[in-house]
Amino acid sequence: ETGVTQSPTHLIKTRGQQVTLRCSSQSGHNTVSWYQQALGQGPQFIFQYYREEENGRGNFPPRFSGLQFPNYSSELNVNALELDDSALYLCASSLGRGPGEKLFFGSGTQLSVL
Amino acid sequence: RKEVEQDPGPFNVPEGATVAFNCTYSNSASQSFFWYRQDCRKEPKLLMSVYSSGNEDGRFTAQLNRASQYISLLIRDSKLSDSATYLCVVPLDTGRRALTFGSGTRLQVQP
Repeated sequence: ETGVTQSPTHLIKTRGQQVTLRCSSQSGHNTVSWYQQALGQGPQFIFQYYREEENGRGNFPPRFSGLQFPNYSSELNVNALELDDSALYLCASSLGRGPGEKLFFGSGTQLSVL
Repeated sequence: RKEVEQDPGPFNVPEGATVAFNCTYSNSASQSFFWYRQDCRKEPKLLMSVYSSGNEDGRFTAQLNRASQYISLLIRDSKLSDSATYLCVVPLDTGRRALTFGSGTRLQVQP
């Protein structure tokens, strides 16, 4: 158990809808990163939040947005869902920024867009 | 060239075999590297970190070749429980803890 929890575990939406995914980070961790993992691929970095501010973004369109709250939990919002958004969405928390230390992943939210 | 490249496999090996995976990376400034293990549709879990020339942990050995920009993972005496996808991971840059994952190498250990 990593102490990182994500909800919901599974979700089915239709094209054009909006979705919000949630993540509770491990106690004491102030950095949260979100990743998208399509079937057969490695996780792709979406964005990272550090102390409630976006701290970097991958190659994802603006309809992917996020928030981090004072308790360091986080949300990932996706608007205007497309079929290609179907994937496993992973949240990872860590203690501070910078490379070289362990990321703690949640078990993910499996999103299916029909 | 992709930032991180791996042979997707699958590598099918018998129990007890030794197997090695390679991973090449494009950013010559990268200082730290990781191998994560991922079981089918579960979250990735850190297997090993590689900061200098290499690292060893029991049956697992990771090596780094900076000149050729690749890292390797060697698994000795393979167990059935080693069956998983092994992800090679390189930080995106030094300012963030965001990571670039390879697509993974799938290992299937057979009885």
